[in-house]
Order: sequence, then structure tokens, then C-alpha cells
Amino acid sequence: DAGVIQSPRHEVTEMGQEVTLRCKPISGHNSLFWYRQTMMRGLELLIYFNNNVPIDDSGMPEDRFSAKMPNASFSTLKIQPSEPRDSAVYFCASTLGGRRTIYEQYFGPGTRLTVT
Amino acid sequence: AQKITQTQPGMFVQEKEAVTLDCTYDTSDPSYGLFWYKQPSSGEMIFLIYQGSYDQQNATEGRYSLNFQKARKSANLVISASQLGDSAMYFCAMREGDLSGAGSYQLTFGKGTKLSVIP
Repeated sequence: DAGVIQSPRHEVTEMGQEVTLRCKPISGHNSLFWYRQTMMRGLELLIYFNNNVPIDDSGMPEDRFSAKMPNASFSTLKIQPSEPRDSAVYFCASTLGGRRTIYEQYFGPGTRLTVT
Repeated sequence: AQKITQTQPGMFVQEKEAVTLDCTYDTSDPSYGLFWYKQPSSGEMIFLIYQGSYDQQNATEGRYSLNFQKARKSANLVISASQLGDSAMYFCAMREGDLSGAGSYQLTFGKGTKLSVIP
């Protein structure tokens, strides 16, 4: 079974450029999460969706960050314009909601973003 | 206050020995779940084990077990018979709230513990 798919795996861009990260959740999962991981701040939740609807975007750093989930099998995280401090590993994760009691999140391999 | 505290930035363990990684949590919600994830040097996050706040018994999954002490609000991960492949970062995480709500799927992660297994 395919896990969470993220692309690209690595992205190097110059300050001021637009960056788009992509995620395909596990088929059938109805909740999707975007995280950012840095040495200084650890793993931070940026935004999450339930049934394609953004539920909580309070972790999004600022207006330069935006996320969309146009359908159940695709989500994007966009940074425009990018800055060096955005350099991090960005993870996408998904989980199956409903009447279950575990809700473990399955993570993608991450996108390592470097902004020079 | 931090919701998840992992006080050990780094730990060493001899191969084949057992090791305990500490995790304490803070919540006023009676319904919550605790998770442990492993992140090897390759970077992926791997789900290991789960403990629900109402579970009567400590969770176990193969060589992993969770020492759940509810009154102390601790959920320590025990790895038995350590292997070289266990060298990784380990993260404790918590989900709070009623399972029926959409907001209950969110996880809060600790800062992690780096485990190194010595041959």
C-alpha cells in the first residue's frame, strides 16, 4: 500500500521565490496535517484539514504561508515569498478519522527546503 | 507550559540492553491519547505505540512497551533488547479531547530524545 507521498523531496530556492510543496495522503484518510521541523523549534503543526476543510491554521507562521486541499487526494503548502528562515523539513501526515480510538498519523518522507 | 516534556536530549544504551525514554504530559482533559514515534537518520516519522487515557493496561508492541502512570502524567517508552537499528530520535506526542470532534485529531509533539545504541 502506498503511504503518504510528498514532492519534491528536496527543494533549494532563492529568497523571494515562490515554493509549492505537494502531498498525497493515504487513500481513504480524511484528515491531513502539515508540519514543519527545525532544530530550534522541533516539530510544529502548521495547519490541518478534515474532509478537505481547514480546521486550524493557527500554526501558520504568517501570511506568506498558505495551504489548500482541493480534493481528498491532494494538498499543497505554498510559501510566497520565501525567506531563509523558512528553511526546514516540511512533513505531511494523514489519519483516518471516524469512530476509532487511535487516530495514529502516518507521515510522508518530508520535503527538505533550503532557502538561500 | 509545555504539553509534552521529554527531559532527555540524548541517551546511550548498550546493545541488547533495555532502555527507558521519559515523557511527561500536561492536560486537563480526561480523554487523551499518547503516541510514540521514531525518526531514524533517514528522516521519516514512524508510529510505534499508542496508549489511551482510559486504557487499563500498558500498551505493548513487540519490543516496545509504554509505562503509563496516569497519576504522574507520564508515558515512558521502554525498548527491550536494544538493537543497532533502534538508534534514532524518539518523539512523544499527545492528542487531547473528545474523539467525536473534528479537532481531536491534532497531535502535540515533544522535543524528542536522541537514542544511540552502542555495539
